[in-house]
Amino acid sequence: NAGVTQTPKFQVLKTGQSMTLQCAQDMNHNSMYWYRQDPGMGLRLIYYSASEGTTDKGEVPNGYNVSRLNKREFSLRLESAAPSQTSVYFCASSSRGGGPPSGVGANVLTFGAGSRLTVL
Amino acid sequence: RKEVEQDPGPFNVPEGATVAFNCTYSNSASQSFFWYRQDCRKEPKLLMSVYSSGNEDGRFTAQLNRASQYISLLIRDSKLSDSATYLCVVKRDSNYQLIWGAGTKLIIKP
Repeated sequence: NAGVTQTPKFQVLKTGQSMTLQCAQDMNHNSMYWYRQDPGMGLRLIYYSASEGTTDKGEVPNGYNVSRLNKREFSLRLESAAPSQTSVYFCASSSRGGGPPSGVGANVLTFGAGSRLTVL
Repeated sequence: RKEVEQDPGPFNVPEGATVAFNCTYSNSASQSFFWYRQDCRKEPKLLMSVYSSGNEDGRFTAQLNRASQYISLLIRDSKLSDSATYLCVVKRDSNYQLIWGAGTKLIIKP
């Protein structure tokens, strides 16, 4: 059982380049999330998708776009990478119904292994 | 001031000892609380939820103190494999977001 798979694991970009991080889950979860993790800071939510066909901004959405391609896949795109976007990116999913997360079970996240992005 | 604060550590603890660390939160309306564990260069994984009455899972005990707005994690009989960063997570009352602490690093020494 793969869980949450995200690619690539590592990427180096030059300022201004674009790229897409891919994420797929095989747990039939409704909700999917993109976080970034920076040293000395907690995980910060970039975007989330409460259910297939919906996406919403999180805490730090600027410079990113997302696509919920189907129930399994949720991609994150950097249109014009900046050094400030150097970070470790985590995709996550959770099992819950439609609408914003609520309840203890809804907030149990399963994470992918992470993608380390460096923007020069 | 951060909404969720943790002592970054590291806490250096001998194997077999008991260790405890706290996490404070600033939003008094916070509803749900969790501890996640993150190994070096790995993804976070849920360790345990924190219930109002406190709860235990094997060697791990979690407590919630709403009056003082903190949660705690106690690890008894620590193992080398407990070495990790422990992330405190708080859910606001009506907001979708989980607010993550920066983590407390624990190193268990033989």
